[in-house]
Amino acid sequence: AQKVTQAQTEISVVEKEDVTLDCVYETRDTTYYLFWYKQPPSGELVFLIRRNSFDEQNEISGRYSWNFQKSTSSFNFTITASQVVDSAVYFCALTGGYQKVTFGTGTKLQVIP
Amino acid sequence: GAVVSQHPSRVICKSGTSVKIECRSLDFQATTMFWYRQFPKQSLMLMATSNEGSKATYEQGVEKDKFLINHASLTLSTLTVTSAHPEDSSFYICSAPDWSGRSTDTQYFGPGTRLTVL
Repeated sequence: AQKVTQAQTEISVVEKEDVTLDCVYETRDTTYYLFWYKQPPSGELVFLIRRNSFDEQNEISGRYSWNFQKSTSSFNFTITASQVVDSAVYFCALTGGYQKVTFGTGTKLQVIP
Repeated sequence: GAVVSQHPSRVICKSGTSVKIECRSLDFQATTMFWYRQFPKQSLMLMATSNEGSKATYEQGVEKDKFLINHASLTLSTLTVTSAHPEDSSFYICSAPDWSGRSTDTQYFGPGTRLTVL
């Protein structure tokens, strides 16, 4: 069975601070894909990144960066210089391929101006 | 990029009525679609897998007679909540995988349908 754990339920930071959202996963698949999604109050899921299990390179996209470490089964997400617009619920997710997605419980991020 | 639409976006109904939610893949074919449910302040939980041309497969604990799924074509799946009750009030989201390689995202999610049962 697949499992995604986001231990941080809620995080509050002051604007311009850096914040890291943790994600730990479990899977028996040798090939799998990890995702991060943002869910603003409107409810719509916004895709942020997909990473496959064979690519452990870290990625940076603007203020966002992701640290994938297979050795610790972690796929952490860092927002640099946070902004109020970053306030949302962030979900880490896992799929074994052309299959259903298993979501973590989400981390609610509140950026205080 | 690929788009998945859902209709309606919001529905309010009386207890005991049935509600149909549509999920469409707009520019790609989806032989499989997934239906998720999200209760307030909770994560998305998979309800069922919708398969074009065959019966849907339901996750444990999901009543198949209550949540009817029909995958009538390669671009349309419908979820009907039969005899809805207040405890069915939730946010329902569908997704459709597209592995054509057009985008780094392979799971396209609909915008969701918020169901409120009075």
